[in-house]
Amino acid sequence: GQNIDQPTEMTATEGAIVQINCTYQTSGFNGLFWYQQHAGEAPTFLSYNVLDGLEEKGRFSSFLSRSKGYSYLLLKELQMKDSASYLCAVRDRGYGQNFVFGPGTRLSVLP
Amino acid sequence: DAGVTQSPTHLIKTRGQHVTLRCSPISGHKSVSWYQQVLGQGPQFIFQYYEKEERGRGNFPDRFSARQFPNYSSELNVNALLLGDSALYLCASTQGGSGNQPQHFGDGTRLSIL
Repeated sequence: GQNIDQPTEMTATEGAIVQINCTYQTSGFNGLFWYQQHAGEAPTFLSYNVLDGLEEKGRFSSFLSRSKGYSYLLLKELQMKDSASYLCAVRDRGYGQNFVFGPGTRLSVLP
Repeated sequence: DAGVTQSPTHLIKTRGQHVTLRCSPISGHKSVSWYQQVLGQGPQFIFQYYEKEERGRGNFPDRFSARQFPNYSSELNVNALLLGDSALYLCASTQGGSGNQPQHFGDGTRLSIL
């Protein structure tokens, strides 16, 4: 089975940097994905990590430590439009290699 | 290019009825997955289909069933609807059945059970 944990809510100020953590316990692992979901909309893909280390993509970076079962999403130069839920998802190695999503972290960016 | 399309966008049903939700994947994508998302929670995996075969099933009762057609579109069927089935149902597609490909989500069908 899989268990994924994220903080429920976070608040940050426009222009600041915020780190959203994700811890996971899995029987198998084939990659960790981060998605952004605005209220009432579909999740959209942000980043992917399968090896340890940092992946950078513009204002967004994601880090993975497989030995610790830990990942974080780093958002720099926060903008109001970054207010959304951020979902951590693990792809397991079970039949079908399906995604298991965490509960999501709702980020509010304040002026 | 069209993304993942789902229909209908909204649906209202009563307890005991059944419902069919439809999904068309991105052109060229052969895998479709279905998720249930209750307000304030992350999506919960229901089914995955790849090349018309069921590849995975989540922890949902037998009232939930799905299938994939030769054109890779998919249907999710739910029988004997319960109030707790009220949720956003998301369909996601990927090109293959595995690997580092992210899932691309449709806008979902919001199902309300009265």
